[in-house]
Amino acid sequence: ETGVTQTPRHLVMGMTNKKSLKCEQHLGHNAMYWYKQSAKKPLELMFVYNFKEQTENNSVPSRFSPECPNSSHLFLHLHTLQPEDSALYLCASSPRTDTRSPLHFGNGTRLTVT
Amino acid sequence: GENVEQHPSTLSVQEGDSAVIKCTYSDSASNYFPWYKQELGKGPQLIIDIRSNVGEKKDQRIAVTLNKTAKHFSLHITETQPEDSAVYFCAASNHDYKLSFGAGTTVTVRA
Repeated sequence: ETGVTQTPRHLVMGMTNKKSLKCEQHLGHNAMYWYKQSAKKPLELMFVYNFKEQTENNSVPSRFSPECPNSSHLFLHLHTLQPEDSALYLCASSPRTDTRSPLHFGNGTRLTVT
Repeated sequence: GENVEQHPSTLSVQEGDSAVIKCTYSDSASNYFPWYKQELGKGPQLIIDIRSNVGEKKDQRIAVTLNKTAKHFSLHITETQPEDSAVYFCAASNHDYKLSFGAGTTVTVRA
């Protein structure tokens, strides 16, 4: 059973909508991540937070806005998205940002932009 | 940056047979190589990992081998079972925290 919970599981939104994805981890980890998963493509790292501080923004468009109020919660605020943003958005956590720490993923939010 | 290529993209095996997935990486400084399994409707889960100071690692029916000279590593699943059907991702990283993932292999185990 995953210790990383993502809500909602599915989201359909129009291009003019504003919505937020939520992630919560119960593992006591200090690092949290947002990944984008598109069919037949490698997972794309979007953002990294370490001890609530953003340490990585992987050239993500500004229509995606992350927020990390504490080490257990991570949000991804969405506005004026494009149809090509439709994908599975995965949240992950790890004890620290050293990659020798395995990533623990949530089950993702399936986003469809119409 | 690191580039990880994974083959094949799909793999169908008879139950009880072995499955092998191969990955190559570009950055000779990469030193950590995890494998993730993603079942339908779920997020990826780590199933095994290997560090660059080890050539092979086994865990029950799964094993991973690493050839640093050739810059490739492989996942081996023996005595496959229906529950092994999933998408498998390889990944590689060096001293920083970025994991570079392969594009995934969809494994189907036929009963």
